[in-house]
Amino acid sequence: GENVEQHPSTLSVQEGDSAVIKCTYSDSASNYFPWYKQELGKGPQLIIDIRSNVGEKKDQRIAVTLNKTAKHFSLHITETQPEDSAVYFCAASNANFGNEKLTFGTGTRLTIIP
Amino acid sequence: ETGVTQSPTHLIKTRGQQVTLRCSSQSGHNTVSWYQQALGQGPQFIFQYYREEENGRGNFPPRFSGLQFPNYSSELNVNALELDDSALYLCASSFTGGNTEAFFGQGTRLTVV
Repeated sequence: GENVEQHPSTLSVQEGDSAVIKCTYSDSASNYFPWYKQELGKGPQLIIDIRSNVGEKKDQRIAVTLNKTAKHFSLHITETQPEDSAVYFCAASNANFGNEKLTFGTGTRLTIIP
Repeated sequence: ETGVTQSPTHLIKTRGQQVTLRCSSQSGHNTVSWYQQALGQGPQFIFQYYREEENGRGNFPPRFSGLQFPNYSSELNVNALELDDSALYLCASSFTGGNTEAFFGQGTRLTVV
């Protein structure tokens, strides 16, 4: 089955700087890669996703890149703000047949230092 | 805020008991997936329901079972609770046949003592 590794497990960034979180996946059939933000006491919130036919996607301060050959994808947050502090999870799935299961990474705790 | 609601938000059960968790999917969605999230870990897929039938299952024993109703809401049932079942249980709502995005509820925190 799919295996997703995520690094780093913790990340502290000065407010205004950029943060990068990286994930690798094992199953070459995976074609859908969402990122979730989870705040304390809440469920994961979808913040951005990318499909395997696209190399990069951007939404305001958040961007995701995908390298299918190397089987890795990354989340980039620019101009970080205190409200970006949370745990971030990457995930992968094979969505060819609908809503296949998501395999999650182990999470990155991002702390923005004011 | 997603339109996915779960109940209850917290509960405490004794080892050996049975528990039922509930999920209402987002309007327009027809698929519900359940995940278990242990403390400090990523969510682990339990199973998915589509058209009231199980549509994929993760590495969980048969004492984890579920239902989906005609209105697409769902239940997760766990029998013979074990201490290791203590976790945050998450429900995700999505639409099979369209976009793949899955939206999560706030979860149910289950503590088994």
